[in-house]
Amino acid sequence: GENVEQHPSTLSVQEGDSAVIKCTYSDSASNYFPWYKQELGKRPQLIIDIRSNVGEKKDQRIAVTLNKTAKHFSLHITETQPEDSAVYFCAASNYGGSQGNLIFGKGTKLSVKP
Amino acid sequence: KAGVTQTPRYLIKTRGQQVTLSCSPISGHRSVSWYQQTPGQGLQFLFEYFSETQRNKGNFPGRFSGRQFSNSRSEMNVSTLELGDSALYLCASSLAPGEGNTIYFGEGSWLTVV
Repeated sequence: GENVEQHPSTLSVQEGDSAVIKCTYSDSASNYFPWYKQELGKRPQLIIDIRSNVGEKKDQRIAVTLNKTAKHFSLHITETQPEDSAVYFCAASNYGGSQGNLIFGKGTKLSVKP
Repeated sequence: KAGVTQTPRYLIKTRGQQVTLSCSPISGHRSVSWYQQTPGQGLQFLFEYFSETQRNKGNFPGRFSGRQFSNSRSEMNVSTLELGDSALYLCASSLAPGEGNTIYFGEGSWLTVV
């Protein structure tokens, strides 16, 4: 089955700097890669997603890149702000295949210092 | 539109007891999935239901079971509770399984086994 590895597990940056979180997946048939943000005590919320037919997607300060050959995708946050502090989870799924549910990485705790 | 609703939000059980958690998906959503979240293991997939049928099941023992009703509401049950079952149990819903259908999480049910 699918396995998703996420690095780093913790990340501390200064306000205004960029943050990059990387994930690798094992199932080459995976075709959908969402990123969720979970603030302390709250539910995970989708912040951006990318499909396997796209290499990059941007939404304001957030971008995600996908390298299908390397089975690797990354979340990029620019001009970080204290409210970006949270745990970020990547996930992968093979929609349309036998295992269509999301498999999550173990999360990255991002701390943005003012 | 109401979000995904989970009940109860907090509960304490004793080892050996059983517990039932409930999830009401967003109106119109027919797919419900369950995840276990613990500090060390992140978000682990339990099972997914669509149209009252279990589509996928994660790697959990048979003590973990679930079902979905005709109104798409879902329940999960854990029998013979163990200390290691202490976790946040998250329910998520989407319109249907498949690419393009965003998964929305509930606030979760915090289970403590003593």
